[in-house]
Amino acid sequence: SQTIHQWPATLVQPVGSPLSLECTVEGTSNPNLYWYRQAAGRGLQLLFYSVGIGQISSEVPQNLSASRPQDRQFILSSKKLLLSDSGFYLCAWSPQGDSPLHFGNGTRLTVT
Amino acid sequence: SQQGEEDPQALSIQEGENATMNCSYKTSINNLQWYRQNSGRGLVHLILIRSNEREKHSGRLRVTLDTSKKSSSLLITASRAADTASYFCATDSGGYQKVTFGTGTKLQVIP
Repeated sequence: SQTIHQWPATLVQPVGSPLSLECTVEGTSNPNLYWYRQAAGRGLQLLFYSVGIGQISSEVPQNLSASRPQDRQFILSSKKLLLSDSGFYLCAWSPQGDSPLHFGNGTRLTVT
Repeated sequence: SQQGEEDPQALSIQEGENATMNCSYKTSINNLQWYRQNSGRGLVHLILIRSNEREKHSGRLRVTLDTSKKSSSLLITASRAADTASYFCATDSGGYQKVTFGTGTKLQVIP
């Protein structure tokens, strides 16, 4: 069966520090991969999605970036965090096509 | 930007009652999905309805879709305290890969 791993679960970082969040999927190949951000009590904002290695679509211009170095690995990065980057970051995958998304447990990021 | 908006933003009902949540979206879609999120957790997929379908059932869940009004509703029958969660609709448009979520309805079921 397929599983998705996202880490760390919580993270506290100072303003101006770098960020790297990692997400990996097991048990499937060539998945669509997604990064979403959720502000407290709000809906999900699509940040990036990827349909294949090295193929990244950015939805929101900001100081975040994403990379997909391997088929089942999706990384969210920032060179310098801002206070406004605080939030709950969710990684998700779906099979190619129109199947539902499967979410990781999320990373709660607090920028201080 | 958000594609969908759920209504109401919050809903509080007694156990055993039915809960209805609505979702409106802006552009044409391929599919509409409903997800559930327990506090501080990832989302769990509940049900998917395609643009050429009007109604779908899964257990105590009933989803309707009206593409002419660009709206959908989720009905949870005979609610339980364990149904307490936030519920989100999600649509894909402009390609199956891009999935955007609504703002969510926070449901509280009182035992």
